[in-house]
Amino acid sequence: RKEVEQDPGPFNVPEGATVAFNCTYSNSASQSFFWYRQDCRKEPKLLMSVYSSGNEDGRFTAQLNRASQYISLLIRDSKLSDSATYLCVVNAGAAGNKLTFGGGTRVLVKP
Amino acid sequence: SQTIHQWPATLVQPVGSPLSLECTVEGTSNPNLYWYRQAAGRGLQLLFYSVGIGQISSEVPQNLSASRPQDRQFILSSKKLLLSDSGFYLCAWLPTARRRADNEQFFGPGTRLTVL
Repeated sequence: RKEVEQDPGPFNVPEGATVAFNCTYSNSASQSFFWYRQDCRKEPKLLMSVYSSGNEDGRFTAQLNRASQYISLLIRDSKLSDSATYLCVVNAGAAGNKLTFGGGTRVLVKP
Repeated sequence: SQTIHQWPATLVQPVGSPLSLECTVEGTSNPNLYWYRQAAGRGLQLLFYSVGIGQISSEVPQNLSASRPQDRQFILSSKKLLLSDSGFYLCAWLPTARRRADNEQFFGPGTRLTVL
């Protein structure tokens, strides 16, 4: 079983619609969680951290469910510019503050 | 402000040739540094990380090596490249002052390596 699993997609989303997807992680000792965004042939960039109580940043909402070991990302009012691959990232708090990346969920927003 | 540089941006090398990729960070001191590889259509795989000069931890067995000759310089090398070494190589750093599990890493622009 992969440490961090994501549905690869693609999620084809009409412009203005809402899309949500999850990520599951296997290490129950994981301490911190992030969503990164990666555009085609570019480096990943932090979209948002995920806090235990859930958090929102504009049109983006992230949730953490420690009991079921998953995190989610919801995008409201999708824009064409939201088309990207969204990477779920987990830090188990081990030496070196290493991150474990999911394979990414591809989102395509269409007019 | 802090910035991270990688070069070259793209590289095409024959099988069996050597490799040297460089990553430098500006505007910080004593960062954690990381090398990742992303194969085509795949997720990021951590290759090496370093918590200080001369300190290298290897995450996966392979024909690559890493070195940290200076505080803000991280080098990825190979003596003989394999076809399977093709991929997108990303360097990342974690600020010293934020060495807590809830802080993110910042990525360089990456080097796209094609081994033929």
